[in-house]
Amino acid sequence: DTGVSQDPRHKITKRGQNVTFRCDPISEHNRLYWYRQTLGQGPEFLTYFQNEAQLEKSRLLSDRFSAERPKGSFSTLEIQRTEQGDSAMYLCASVSQGAYNSPLHFGNGTRLTVT
Amino acid sequence: SQKIEQNSEALNIQEGKTATLTCNYTNYSPAYLQWYRQDPGRGPVFLLLIRENEKEKRKERLKVTFDTTLKQSLFHITASQPADSATYLCALLGGSSNTGKLIFGQGTTLQVKP
Repeated sequence: DTGVSQDPRHKITKRGQNVTFRCDPISEHNRLYWYRQTLGQGPEFLTYFQNEAQLEKSRLLSDRFSAERPKGSFSTLEIQRTEQGDSAMYLCASVSQGAYNSPLHFGNGTRLTVT
Repeated sequence: SQKIEQNSEALNIQEGKTATLTCNYTNYSPAYLQWYRQDPGRGPVFLLLIRENEKEKRKERLKVTFDTTLKQSLFHITASQPADSATYLCALLGGSSNTGKLIFGQGTTLQVKP
């Protein structure tokens, strides 16, 4: 168990640019979640994958956000035309097939700063 | 709407004392509640899960209670140590339960002074 890996750890970008983050879940985990966390707040749910299928998206996720999980392994989260309000920590979590109360395994996030 | 509230003010206590953190929820009937620890710049780490039919759960110096009548969970750290300083998050299963999506409170920051 090498843990959930996220890349990059930090990203600074200018407003209007596109950014893409990557998440490598624990290898046998088929469920994957993306969350966003701003300072002083808890993680907010963005989207959920079961294998390669994106089964739920938060209403917080504007059209500028897109996520993929090709082949049900790693996942990418892309933000187009970034805005300063997108500055946050983006967290990925995974969990194996099983009871839906199973604890999530989080990566250490990608911190995005939009200038 | 569904809401989870934790003490937003930081909790400062002396080493050796018991820390008690509160998680209140409204418009939920959760079957489970989870607690996570988060250190600065890191992702949350799972600590404990308690089911609705369990009044209390313990793990080493940690104790969680779950009162579905009061819609509240209490998280206790006994004999606290400076290494316990972190933000603690409670989380409930949100929305349709077949996604396993967790909804988090805003977290309470605990500072244990030596």
